[in-house]
Amino acid sequence: GQQVMQIPQYQHVQEGEDFTTYCNSSTTLSNIQWYKQRPGGHPVFLIQLVKSGEVKKQKRLTFQFGEAKKNSSLHITATQTTDVGTYFCAGATGKLIFGQGTTLQVKP
Amino acid sequence: EAQVTQNPRYLITVTGKKLTVTCSQNMNHEYMSWYRQDPGLGLRQIYYSMNVEVTDKGDVPEGYKVSRKEKRNFPLILESPSPNQTSLYFCASSLEKGGGYGYTFGSGTRLTVV
Repeated sequence: GQQVMQIPQYQHVQEGEDFTTYCNSSTTLSNIQWYKQRPGGHPVFLIQLVKSGEVKKQKRLTFQFGEAKKNSSLHITATQTTDVGTYFCAGATGKLIFGQGTTLQVKP
Repeated sequence: EAQVTQNPRYLITVTGKKLTVTCSQNMNHEYMSWYRQDPGLGLRQIYYSMNVEVTDKGDVPEGYKVSRKEKRNFPLILESPSPNQTSLYFCASSLEKGGGYGYTFGSGTRLTVV
């Protein structure tokens, strides 16, 4: 069946270091979405990418959608302790399929 | 404030005792869905609803029931809970199935079945 794979599962960084999580789909996606779940919280919608090769930025976060619309990445520049949480990608192929998430821990 | 409201936040129950987790949204969304979240497995869809009286199975529907009698409400029913249904449950809603403009999630229900 349709799958969305996300790596790495965990990432532990020193505050100020960069962080990237990658998302790969077995099928072409109509759009990809990214969510953040703080510890003890619920997933919160961050952004949606629709076009091939699209790049969007939100302050220190950069989101990319691959040319083939099968992969995506989220890059955080100079992490802060407030970035801690689990980041999920979700690919849309008629329905939304979530990746397993990447849990980011930031050491002050 | 636009939101999805789930109740209860925490629930401990015994095997076999029927329970209902309520979910309500105030955004007039057509699409609603239930997920369970388990460590290492991410968010797995249990059931979803495209509109009133229209529901369908997700990836892990066994042991669960849902209903959609009103557009705003989408309760999750466990007729005979078992310990393997111990999990964190989220209700979500959106304008459409493909999640256009994003899903709005409830705060979650942590269920423990003993």
